[in-house]
Amino acid sequence: AQSVTQPDIHITVSEGASLELRCNYSYGATPYLFWYVQSPGQGLQLLLKYFSGDTLVQGIKGFEAEFKRSQSSFNLRKPSVHWSDAAEYFCAVGAQGGQNFVFGPGTRLSVLP
Amino acid sequence: EADIYQTPRYLVIGTGKKITLECSQTMGHDKMYWYQQDPGMELHLIHYSYGVNSTEKGDLSSESTVSRIRTEHFPLTLESARPSHTSQYLCASTPRDRGNTDTQYFGPGTRLTVL
Repeated sequence: AQSVTQPDIHITVSEGASLELRCNYSYGATPYLFWYVQSPGQGLQLLLKYFSGDTLVQGIKGFEAEFKRSQSSFNLRKPSVHWSDAAEYFCAVGAQGGQNFVFGPGTRLSVLP
Repeated sequence: EADIYQTPRYLVIGTGKKITLECSQTMGHDKMYWYQQDPGMELHLIHYSYGVNSTEKGDLSSESTVSRIRTEHFPLTLESARPSHTSQYLCASTPRDRGNTDTQYFGPGTRLTVL
């Protein structure tokens, strides 16, 4: 079965600073990886996903993520954070063969003015 | 943009009441899910469905039940609500062919408070 860890529970950055949110997964085969964002009181919105091909994936709102198989990681990055990026970020892994999505515990991002 | 709806968005109810949380999607997706999420915490899968007349329990044990009589509709029912059921409930769906390897589309959630 697959699993996901997000080592950082809460991150605070200043507006305009760069951001990297960490995600590590455990799965025996090629994973299907996702990043979702959740604003307070809302559902989850997909930021980006990786299935195959180019390991650097571009998403919405200026986010990107890089799949590194050797490190079992799929870290999310943004070069310049905006105050509206303050939210909860979830990494998720899907797998073929009947297993469902597994979500990480989430990282809460706070943005200082 | 995905079209998946949940009603009500907020519900405050007394202990012992029966409640049904509604989830509908207009995308013709076969696979649907219910997650439970406590504030600031991770999502836990409580139910899922592969299609009409298919329902399965998820990873987290739940006293709720679900039904799937129509493709677009996946309601969740609590026969007797308790304070421990206070949580946010998120519904999601996925196209059939790609199942769990494709994007899950989420509804806005129902925040349930049981007094």
